[in-house]
Formats: sequence, C-alpha cells, structure tokens
Amino acid sequence: EPEVTQTPSHQVTQMGQEVILRCVPISNHLYFYWYRQILGQKVEFLVSFYNNEISEKSEIFDDQFSVERPDGSNFTLKIRSTKLEDSAMYFCANTRRLPYQETQYFGPGTRLLVL
Amino acid sequence: KNQVEQSPQSLIILEGKNCTLQCNYTVSPFSNLRWYKQDTGRGPVSLTIMTFSENTKSNGRYTATLDADTKQSSLHITASQLSDSASYICVVTDSNYQLIWGAGTKLIIKP
Repeated sequence: EPEVTQTPSHQVTQMGQEVILRCVPISNHLYFYWYRQILGQKVEFLVSFYNNEISEKSEIFDDQFSVERPDGSNFTLKIRSTKLEDSAMYFCANTRRLPYQETQYFGPGTRLLVL
Repeated sequence: KNQVEQSPQSLIILEGKNCTLQCNYTVSPFSNLRWYKQDTGRGPVSLTIMTFSENTKSNGRYTATLDADTKQSSLHITASQLSDSASYICVVTDSNYQLIWGAGTKLIIKP
C-alpha cells in the first residue's frame, strides 16, 4: 500500500533558527495537510493545501509558518524562526479528493525539538 | 463551540478481553465521524469513517457505532491483542470539512 513519507524523522534546532520539514505524499493525492501534536496533547490542524495554494489555516499557522510544493512532489512546512513552543511532532497527511468521507493518510511524523 | 470529548482518558484491559471507547460531540452540523488508531510516536491510521446516516461500521475486530440524535459514537474492540495498545482518537468533520479532533483514549493491553 502506498505510504506518506516524512523527513527528517527527528530534528533538533536552536530557538530562532529556520527549519524545513519535508513530506512526500502519495502520488495522485491532491489535498495536503500539516498537523502538529505537542507531547501528550491532541492533534492540531495547521494548514490544508490544494492546487498550489492554502485552502484553510488555523490560528496556529501564523506568519512564521509557510508551506509549498517546490517540485510538484515534495510538500514542505517551513518555520522561519522557531520558538520553544514549536517543539512537537509534525504530521503530514493527504487525501485523494476533498476530505468529505475520504481517508486521510498520515506520514510517520517529524519530531521537532527546539532548544 | 464545536467539541469532541472522549472517555475514558485511559483504559487497561487484559489480552483477549473486549472493550468499548466512547466519543461525544457537539459539532453541528456534522458531515462524518472518524476513528483513528495512533501508535506511540506514529501518525494516526484511519479505522472507520461514518456519515450521519450510518449506525455501525466494522473494520476487522473494530466496530464503530454512531447515534447522530444523541451525538454519541463508540468504538468496540473485540478479542483485544497486544498490538491494540495505542491511542484511539475520535474526529468529527463539520460542514466546512474542518476536522475537530478529540484528545483520544489511551488503551493498554496487558498479557
């Protein structure tokens, strides 16, 4: 079965540094999402992306965050200037079509630690 | 406010036993309800998706029920196995396709 992959699996960075988290979605899936999960807390929606633009974003997704599909396959999440509170697991997900009744396929996550 | 509440927060059962996890939601109007399994340190994996017109849906030993009138859902696990140890998350999709996530029930299966 096709899988979503994410790199790196772990990232440690200093506060104020930029990080880029990468995701390779399942091919022919058209809708892409980023979520985060702070340790011990619930999964939180960050942003959805379709047709090379942001569809929806949450309050968490402020100006420090950006997403893009630089080469038509990879889907990236950039955090410009990391803060301690950005430490979390970041999950990429995708669906073939609009999420109504579509299964969302999640990647294994990137564990980000900001020191 | 749209919310999804799950109970219990955590549950420990012996291998081979059955268990039922609960989900109550206030999302209205609602499009569908999903149950996910999340192993520690891994991404969630979809178990079931139900629309408001479906009362029950099964996926192997997992059976989800939905009562859209009382806004309650349950996930029943039959003949539990050690590999069922995970968090089980209830997620409700609202009419704008926003997914409202519950906090999950942490299930531990003991041999």
